[in-house]
Amino acid sequence: AQTVTQSQPEMSVQEAETVTLSCTYDTSESDYYLFWYKQPPSRQMILVIRQEAYKQQNATENRFSVNFQKAAKSFSLKISDSQLGDAAMYFCAYSPPSGGGADGLTFGKGTHLIIQP
Amino acid sequence: GAVVSQHPSRVICKSGTSVKIECRSLDFQATTMFWYRQFPKQSLMLMATSNEGSKATYEQGVEKDKFLINHASLTLSTLTVTSAHPEDSSFYICSARNLREPGGTEAFFGQGTRLTVV
Repeated sequence: AQTVTQSQPEMSVQEAETVTLSCTYDTSESDYYLFWYKQPPSRQMILVIRQEAYKQQNATENRFSVNFQKAAKSFSLKISDSQLGDAAMYFCAYSPPSGGGADGLTFGKGTHLIIQP
Repeated sequence: GAVVSQHPSRVICKSGTSVKIECRSLDFQATTMFWYRQFPKQSLMLMATSNEGSKATYEQGVEKDKFLINHASLTLSTLTVTSAHPEDSSFYICSARNLREPGGTEAFFGQGTRLTVV
């Protein structure tokens, strides 16, 4: 079974600074998808960024980027120029390859990100 | 992005009664939807996979008779918590993946339902 580990229950960063959230995972698959989801106090899950395992290039979305190390099974999220609106729970998630969209996600335990003004 | 709507957002019920939660994909068809449960300050745990026109697939440890899932159409899945007890109180979230998207990679989530059993 796949597992996703987030070793940082809570992180704090000053506004406008950069913070990196860690995630490691375990799988025997060679092809899969990785995600970072944000869950603000409203509890609505919002996709931040995703990475296909077969792509070597790290995904980026504006201020958000990942460091995907496939051999190490590591998938960290870097948030640059942190903003107050970034404060939320961040979940790392894994999905096996799913052409039919038939697989649920395996989530890590989450990291609570605090932005200090 | 695609929209998944979940209703109700909050429900309080008496112990022993049943509660139905609806999950709709508003602008795409979803042959598969997923139901998660989230305890306070914890992660999302996959409960079951809802398959249109067939039986749901439950994760290990999830009681099929307690959590009834029906996926009668390509846009609607329902989760019924039967004979609810206080320990069933939790936050329930549904999600669906858009088949039209290559690989169907992104999962879209409903707003969640906070169930309180008193």
